[in-house]
Amino acid sequence: AQKITQTQPGMFVQEKEAVTLDCTYDTSDQSYGLFWYKQPSSGEMIFLIYQGSYDEQNATEGRYSLNFQKARKSANLVISASQLGDSAMYFCAMTGGYSTLTFGKGTMLLVSP
Amino acid sequence: IAGITQAPTSQILAAGRRMTLRCTQDMRHNAMYWYRQDLGLGLRLIHYSNTAGTTGKGEVPDGYSVSRANTDDFPLTLASAVPSQTSVYFCASSDSSGEGSDTQYFGPGTRLTVL
Repeated sequence: AQKITQTQPGMFVQEKEAVTLDCTYDTSDQSYGLFWYKQPSSGEMIFLIYQGSYDEQNATEGRYSLNFQKARKSANLVISASQLGDSAMYFCAMTGGYSTLTFGKGTMLLVSP
Repeated sequence: IAGITQAPTSQILAAGRRMTLRCTQDMRHNAMYWYRQDLGLGLRLIHYSNTAGTTGKGEVPDGYSVSRANTDDFPLTLASAVPSQTSVYFCASSDSSGEGSDTQYFGPGTRLTVL
């Protein structure tokens, strides 16, 4: 069974600074995918970034990058140049059996001016 | 393209009543999923379907049933609602044909309160 751990219930960052949201995972699968989703106060779940377990390079999508350290089983999300609109709940997730997702409990990010 | 729609947006339901949450996608994704989100617990998988005509149980299936008569629709039914089923329910879909990342895309959610 897969397990995702997000140890930071909440994070604070000032606008324009970079922030790292931690995610560690546990799985016995050799092939898996790691995902980050953003959930703003409006409630929708927004896909941010994906990393495959066999991808050699860290995934990047605009201001988002995924710091993938396979040996440490970590998949931290890095947001560069934070914006006020980045304030939201962030969920780390990984694929399990039949492409289902196992989610962590989330990290609430607050960006201050 | 609408993506995934869910209905209703919110609902207050008396305990013991039957309720069906609707989910429709227009992306022709083969796989669909139902999650519930509870404060402090993240999202947990209720049921899933890899293709029309097949369904499977997730982490918290008790009290829920699903059907997948066609590619686009994946309704979730609470046969006899209980207060512990008060939650936000998300439907999602993905192209899990094996050639992509299996990224799941989510509907806007249904907020259900069982009294």
